[in-house]
Amino acid sequence: AQSVTQLDSQVPVFEEAPVELRCNYSSSVSVYLFWYVQYPNQGLQLLLKYLSGSTLVKGINGFEAEFNKSQTSFHLRKPSVHISDTAEYFCAVKPPTGANNLFFGTGTRLTVIP
Amino acid sequence: EADIYQTPRYLVIGTGKKITLECSQTMGHDKMYWYQQDPGMELHLIHYSYGVNSTEKGDLSSESTVSRIRTEHFPLTLESARPSHTSQYLCASSPGKGGTGELFFGEGSRLTVL
Repeated sequence: AQSVTQLDSQVPVFEEAPVELRCNYSSSVSVYLFWYVQYPNQGLQLLLKYLSGSTLVKGINGFEAEFNKSQTSFHLRKPSVHISDTAEYFCAVKPPTGANNLFFGTGTRLTVIP
Repeated sequence: EADIYQTPRYLVIGTGKKITLECSQTMGHDKMYWYQQDPGMELHLIHYSYGVNSTEKGDLSSESTVSRIRTEHFPLTLESARPSHTSQYLCASSPGKGGTGELFFGEGSRLTVL
């Protein structure tokens, strides 16, 4: 079975500062990993995904994430945040075969302070 | 650009009413999903479909029902709404074959039952 832990429920950060949103997963098999962003009153939008290959994945809006197999982590980073990055961020996992749905974490609310 | 639409976006109704949340996608995706989202909680899968005339219950037990008569349409129905059904409902879709598990989400339907 897969599970996802997002250690921080809320992360406040000043504008133009760097940010890291943490995600750890547990799985007995290899997984695909995803980060989604949800802006207020909207659905989820894919930020980036890791399927295989390079452990550093670049996504939209200047975000990137690094897959660390030994630590079973997939932390999301951005070197300089903008006010428009204020949103809820969800980490999700899926095994390559078998289950067809994603398993989501509880989300991290990023608030960018002017 | 994902093309998946949910109506209504917001609905406030009284206890005992029957409601249907509509979900349509124009991407020709075989797989469709309904997730329930509550504040501070992970998204929970309540229904999914692999194609026309295929529906399955998800991980979270729900009193709602779904149907898949056409590929593009996956409505969710509550025969008798109760306050415990108050939540945000997110519809999603993904390609049947060759996909990586990435989900494309609608903007959600926020249901409030008084």
